[in-house]
Amino acid sequence: GAVVSQHPSWVICKSGTSVKIECRSLDFQATTMFWYRQFPKQSLMLMATSNEGSKATYEQGVEKDKFLINHASLTLSTLTVTSAHPEDSSFYICSARDASGGEETQYFGPGTRLLVL
Amino acid sequence: GESVGLHLPTLSVQEGDNSIINCAYSNSASDYFIWYKQESGKGPQFIIDIRSNMDKRQGQRVTVLLNKTVKHLSLQIAATQPGDSAVYFCAENRWGNNRLAFGKGNQVVVIP
Repeated sequence: GAVVSQHPSWVICKSGTSVKIECRSLDFQATTMFWYRQFPKQSLMLMATSNEGSKATYEQGVEKDKFLINHASLTLSTLTVTSAHPEDSSFYICSARDASGGEETQYFGPGTRLLVL
Repeated sequence: GESVGLHLPTLSVQEGDNSIINCAYSNSASDYFIWYKQESGKGPQFIIDIRSNMDKRQGQRVTVLLNKTVKHLSLQIAATQPGDSAVYFCAENRWGNNRLAFGKGNQVVVIP
């Protein structure tokens, strides 16, 4: 149980284009999902908290108009990197919390590697 | 704050030996702690967690110790195997919100 998937696993795009990354909880419902980015040899940096049915909460310094988050259902959150630039190249990881039973553990997806040319 | 720098602390351990990975946290109000394992190119994988009302918890080949007095967390891996080679992150859940704060990470290299 507690499996989280991401799609795509990797993507290469041209500068200026937009890229959408999907995060799904496969066997549980997640009212809250989280989006992180990770640079090589560094820790995970929380970008935003995605809440089902309401607006995402962004961390300080993260541009909400650049990183659009939509949490349309209890099993799906999407992150869209708009007008991507080379500095947006990174490893993007989502996590989901199984809210049933009051669990706090976050389960992570396999990550999406983005390369912007 | 978040991790800085490009060099992760590295622990090299002989296969079969025990490994101990340490983590210091800063917020005395944190009440939930988790260890994650991250293999290259993959997302973090949950290993074990502990709440602040405990000081020790054991899983399969892993033990987490929590010392709230000095705000220190450790992960012990018994009989380390090649498959344990990865980066290990501690994470804390800060009281009052649901956001995890990750530590800097420790690279474990298992020598066959």
